[in-house]
Amino acid sequence: RKEVEQDPGPFNVPEGATVAFNCTYSNSASQSFFWYRQDCRKEPKLLMSVYSSGNEDGRFTAQLNRASQYISLLIRDSKLSDSATYLCVESSGSARQLTFGSGTQLTVLP
Amino acid sequence: GAVVSQHPSWVICKSGTSVKIECRSLDFQATTMFWYRQFPKQSLMLMATSNEGSKATYEQGVEKDKFLINHASLTLSTLTVTSAHPEDSSFYICSASGLAGGTSYNEQFFGPGTRLTVL
Repeated sequence: RKEVEQDPGPFNVPEGATVAFNCTYSNSASQSFFWYRQDCRKEPKLLMSVYSSGNEDGRFTAQLNRASQYISLLIRDSKLSDSATYLCVESSGSARQLTFGSGTQLTVLP
Repeated sequence: GAVVSQHPSWVICKSGTSVKIECRSLDFQATTMFWYRQFPKQSLMLMATSNEGSKATYEQGVEKDKFLINHASLTLSTLTVTSAHPEDSSFYICSASGLAGGTSYNEQFFGPGTRLTVL
């Protein structure tokens, strides 16, 4: 079983739409969670950390449910520039190693 | 944020040759560096973790004699793919975390990646 599972998509949505991605993790000892964004043939870039209380950064909202081992990312008013692969990531252990999900591909259409 | 560079950004080589990839932290001390590999349409997979001055810790299934990692300074780690074969063709990405101005970075900062093609 994969440690971090995501729906691979692709999600094709019109500009201005709201889209939500889900992610589940299997390691109950996971300590930190993140959403990264990866553009084609580029390195991943940190989008936001995910906290139990939920957090929002502009059009992006992330939620963590530890009881269900579930993480979500909501993008409101999507822009063409939001087109990318979104990676769900968990971190555990003192080595701060990151475990990546396989990513969810988003394409925002004009 | 902190900057990590990688060199080369892409490389094409013949089967059987060795390829060295450099990962540098430009404005902070990278006490820990991580090497990842990503095949097309797949996730980043951690290959190894290296702490400056120590031997790297390899993930299960990663051959340490094939993927040589050196982290001899706080700003440089190298990954050498020895006797590369076509199945080693992949996108290799490093990341680093460490210290800058006395502040510890928990975040990993990623290099831009190196695309390796073995013919």
